[in-house]
Amino acid sequence: DGGITQSPKYLFRKEGQNVTLSCEQNLNHDAMYWYRQDPGQGLRLIYYSQIVNDFQKGDIAEGYSVSREKKESFPLTVTSAQKNPTAFYLCASRDLGLQGGETQYFGPGTRLLVL
Amino acid sequence: GQQLNQSPQSMFIQEGEDVSMNCTSSSIFNTWLWYKQEPGEGPVLLIALYKAGELTSNGRLTAQFGITRKDSFLNISASIPSDVGIYFCAGPGSGGSNYKLTFGKGTLLTVNP
Repeated sequence: DGGITQSPKYLFRKEGQNVTLSCEQNLNHDAMYWYRQDPGQGLRLIYYSQIVNDFQKGDIAEGYSVSREKKESFPLTVTSAQKNPTAFYLCASRDLGLQGGETQYFGPGTRLLVL
Repeated sequence: GQQLNQSPQSMFIQEGEDVSMNCTSSSIFNTWLWYKQEPGEGPVLLIALYKAGELTSNGRLTAQFGITRKDSFLNISASIPSDVGIYFCAGPGSGGSNYKLTFGKGTLLTVNP
C-alpha cells in the first residue's frame, strides 16, 4: 500500500528538549517537504528536499533541522531554539506528473504539544 | 512573494445545497491544486489542474483553471455531511522555484444535516 506515514500522531515536548518527527514515503518520490499548520494561518513551509543529501530552508526554518540520508525518509527535529513549537506538522512528497504539473501528497500529520 | 487569496473564509450550508469557493493569485500559476483536510488529518488531493481553461470533475466536485491563470474555483454540488472540512487551494506559480507550493488559508465548510 503506497503512501506517506508520519509518527508519532501526538508528541509532547518539555522545555529545552529536542524532539524528532518521523516521515516515511514508499511512493518513490524525489522531493519531500515539511509544513507547519497553525489555526487561521494555512500551511507554512519549514524545509524541503529535492534529492538525497540535499535540503533547503523554507519560509520558517529557524528552530528546526532536517536530514535526508535516504530517499524514503525525511525526519524533522524541533530544537529547543523553536520557542513556539505547538502546531500540527505535515510532511509531503512530490510527484512530477506527466503534464509537468506540481502535485504534493500529504501524510496524516503529527500534533506537537509543549508541556 | 506570491500570495493566494481564498474566499470565502468559511461557509455554513444546508445539506443538499451547492457550494462554490475560489482562489486568486497575485501572479500567474501553471498548476492549480485543490485539497480537503478533515480535523486532525493531513490534506487530501481532490483535483489537479494543469491548463488554463481546464474544467475537471471528481464526483460531485468540479474545479476550473481560470483563463487568466490567476484564479481557480471549486464547486461542490448537492452537499452532504461528510463534505465538512477545510478546503485549500495551492499552486507553484511560474516564477522562482517550481518545487514549492503556495497555499490559500482555506475555506472551512460546515454542512447542516
